[in-house]
Amino acid sequence: TQLLEQSPQFLSIQEGENLTVYCNSSSVFSSLQWYRQEPGEGPVLLVTVVTGGEVKKLKRLTFQFGDARKDSSLHITAAQPGDTGLYLCAGADNYGQNFVFGPGTRLSVLP
Amino acid sequence: KAGVTQTPRYLIKTRGQQVTLSCSPISGHRSVSWYQQTPGQGLQFLFEYFSETQRNKGNFPGRFSGRQFSNSRSEMNVSTLELGDSALYLCASSLVADGNTIYFGEGSWLTVV
Repeated sequence: TQLLEQSPQFLSIQEGENLTVYCNSSSVFSSLQWYRQEPGEGPVLLVTVVTGGEVKKLKRLTFQFGDARKDSSLHITAAQPGDTGLYLCAGADNYGQNFVFGPGTRLSVLP
Repeated sequence: KAGVTQTPRYLIKTRGQQVTLSCSPISGHRSVSWYQQTPGQGLQFLFEYFSETQRNKGNFPGRFSGRQFSNSRSEMNVSTLELGDSALYLCASSLVADGNTIYFGEGSWLTVV
């Protein structure tokens, strides 16, 4: 069974600070997605990474897929209150059909 | 293009009743999957449909069922509702060719009293 772990579970920081959250597994994934979910809403896709070692940037967000495709990180520069939410990572198996979700990191950015 | 649409957004049911939730995928998407999200368990996979066939199923009791229609729209049904079924039910769709990415709807909030 493929499992994804995320750390930290909770994170509360001040506006303007930088942060990194992690998504780890002992399994290899064909791709990995990061989502942000706000209370009462469905998860919104932020990025998909496919190639080991891949780095993608989305404004102040930087996503990295591990070389072995078992882990990923999300780095946020100069966090803003609008970044507050639950960050979920999800890994797809080699067929791209089965998705496994991590438990999420709940981020709170205080003004 | 329009996103994944789920109805209803909110509903309250009584223990023992049954409920049907509906999902319209993104136009052109043929795969639809369902998830249950609770504070304690996080996002848990229910089942996935493609071309009206259930391809994958999570570890949920038989009270949870679903189906997909020829236009790719999907429904899920929960019978004999229990208090523990209270959750956000999320539908997601994906292109078969782009099976690496799934897109979620806003979810249906079910409260069982």
